[in-house]
Amino acid sequence: AAGVIQSPRHLIKEKRETATLKCYPIPRHDTVYWYQQGPGQDPQFLISFYEKMQSDKGSIPDRFSAQQFSDYHSELNMSSLELGDSALYFCASSRITSAQNIQYFGAGTRLSVL
Amino acid sequence: AQKVTQAQTEISVVEKEDVTLDCVYETRDTTYYLFWYKQPPSGELVFLIRRNSFDEQNEISGRYSWNFQKSTSSFNFTITASQVVDSAVYFCALFFPDTGRRALTFGSGTRLQVQP
Repeated sequence: AAGVIQSPRHLIKEKRETATLKCYPIPRHDTVYWYQQGPGQDPQFLISFYEKMQSDKGSIPDRFSAQQFSDYHSELNMSSLELGDSALYFCASSRITSAQNIQYFGAGTRLSVL
Repeated sequence: AQKVTQAQTEISVVEKEDVTLDCVYETRDTTYYLFWYKQPPSGELVFLIRRNSFDEQNEISGRYSWNFQKSTSSFNFTITASQVVDSAVYFCALFFPDTGRRALTFGSGTRLQVQP
């Protein structure tokens, strides 16, 4: 079965640079979520999209933005990177309209800011 | 406030031992879902189980079993006859389908080390 695809898997950036993370949800899933997991921490919700519209916002810094495109893939754009942005970034997708409504996660993008 | 507590930070067992991971949650909502996810050393988050608040039936899947008790707001996870491949961080999470909030609220995780 198809899973959530995230790219790249690893990314190394310098301070003040920008980064773009991509997410391809499971086919027919209508909702995409982004989470940030710092070292030794639990995943923290950043933002979500339902049918290409932003549906919820968590602790996402103003330096970050995200969108979902017509093909349902999503991108997380991160600017003016700081050392503290180094983390594992997960994308998850779900089908809100299904009784299951389970969030399936991608393998994550590990971002290192030097 | 909604909160998930996993009091056990780290557990170490020897292969073939049984181990129970605790999860206690707080919520005033009557409709909610509880989840367990596994995060192996490779880093991905793997869905294990979902339970809704109206279904207190316990569940068994192979060596895994889950005990949901609304009276104590707990959703504990037991691995029977643990194996080295069970070594991972396990997260319990909470979700509210009737609110605008679509995000999972995670506990802090329990790191399980299974020694050969």
